Amino acid sequence: AQSVAQPEDQVNVAEGNPLTVKCTYSVSGNPYLFWYVQYPNRGLQFLLKYITGDNLVKGSYGFEAEFNKSQTSFHLKKPSALVSDSALYFCAVRDIMNGNNRLAFGKGNQVVVIP
Amino acid sequence: NAGVTQTPKFQVLKTGQSMTLQCAQDMNHNSMYWYRQDPGMGLRLIYYSASEGTTDKGEVPNGYNVSRLNKREFSLRLESAAPSQTSVYFCASSSPGQLNSNQPQHFGDGTRLSIL
Repeated sequence: AQSVAQPEDQVNVAEGNPLTVKCTYSVSGNPYLFWYVQYPNRGLQFLLKYITGDNLVKGSYGFEAEFNKSQTSFHLKKPSALVSDSALYFCAVRDIMNGNNRLAFGKGNQVVVIP
Repeated sequence: NAGVTQTPKFQVLKTGQSMTLQCAQDMNHNSMYWYRQDPGMGLRLIYYSASEGTTDKGEVPNGYNVSRLNKREFSLRLESAAPSQTSVYFCASSSPGQLNSNQPQHFGDGTRLSIL
């Protein structure tokens, strides 16, 4: 079964500094990978996805993520963090070999951007 | 655009009471999902419906039932609520529903349920 690990509970970064949120995955076949963001009292919002092709994927709000097959990682990055980026971030994976549309989510990372 | 709408937004129940959480989507999506979110545990899939007329168990289905009423609506029922079911419940949908879809899921804003 597919699974995702987000090793850090919280990431603190100063405003203007680069932001990285880590994600590693496990699947039996090839993965579809997703990042979502959740603001307080809201549902998850889609940020970006990796399906195939270029390992560097660009998404909403200036975020990007790099797919690394050898390290089974899909880290989320932003070159210059904003205070408004403070939120909960979830990585998710779908195993292409599975005959369903189920996603496995990580536990989430709280990002705190310090002014 | 409404997207995915969940009702109610908040609910407090007593142990043993029953209730139904409602979810509707207006994006013509085939697949719909119910998750629960608990601190430090991420999102766990309760049930999902790949298409109208079908439902399947997810990771944590015990204590819940679902009904895919039509293409738009997917409800979650707690027959006899327990304190362990205190959680935030999210409904999601995705298109077009074929196997191995690479389309993202769209989420509602959740129902915050407390069981005393």
